[in-house]
Amino acid sequence: DTAVSQTPKYLVTQMGNDKSIKCEQNLGHDTMYWYKQDSKKFLKIMFSYNNKELIINETVPNRFSPKSPDKAHLNLHINSLELGDSAVYFCASSPGQGEVETQYFGPGTRLLVL
Amino acid sequence: GQNIDQPTEMTATEGAIVQINCTYQTSGFNGLFWYQQHAGEAPTFLSYNVLDGLEEKGRFSSFLSRSKGYSYLLLKELQMKDSASYLCAVRDSNYQLIWGAGTKLIIKP
Repeated sequence: DTAVSQTPKYLVTQMGNDKSIKCEQNLGHDTMYWYKQDSKKFLKIMFSYNNKELIINETVPNRFSPKSPDKAHLNLHINSLELGDSAVYFCASSPGQGEVETQYFGPGTRLLVL
Repeated sequence: GQNIDQPTEMTATEGAIVQINCTYQTSGFNGLFWYQQHAGEAPTFLSYNVLDGLEEKGRFSSFLSRSKGYSYLLLKELQMKDSASYLCAVRDSNYQLIWGAGTKLIIKP
């Protein structure tokens, strides 16, 4: 029944490793997003995908790469992890770009880089 | 640049009323959202304003003045479960959501 799900919920890893976070939505939404929320709780948009096309790509390091195998999935791959990547990563989805465009968030993935 | 300002933290008493303000400067405006985020959880949608005025939803109301670049979220009859962070977000002319840093609301008995 979970609308937006993410795995894993917790991820502890060493600097320099490569990791992936998976996101799936069963709402039939057209747009999916990845956000980073740092220790100051500021939500920063990283990417969004609309019908498998990247429509927002904020100035994030190219170590981060979104991959969308289909409309219901948007995975986040991170290469060469750094200490500063430690944060909570939220996946979200929305129906499209209509009038009232609420975003539905997944539970978050807490990434700790040691 | 684009900017959303909210107080970092507020404290209120159970049963009381609290108003959380949000001011914004964005390139265009296509609506303002309020989200609630409990500690360790995901943000959840509370309200949406695109026209000036007050939108009421139970104990929560949200107000918008586009000419002033200003909104507030009003919470009435506060309950302990309302302790959370409240995030203001504005959708700009490119339909991107610009987020504030959130206001942490602490409710005391």
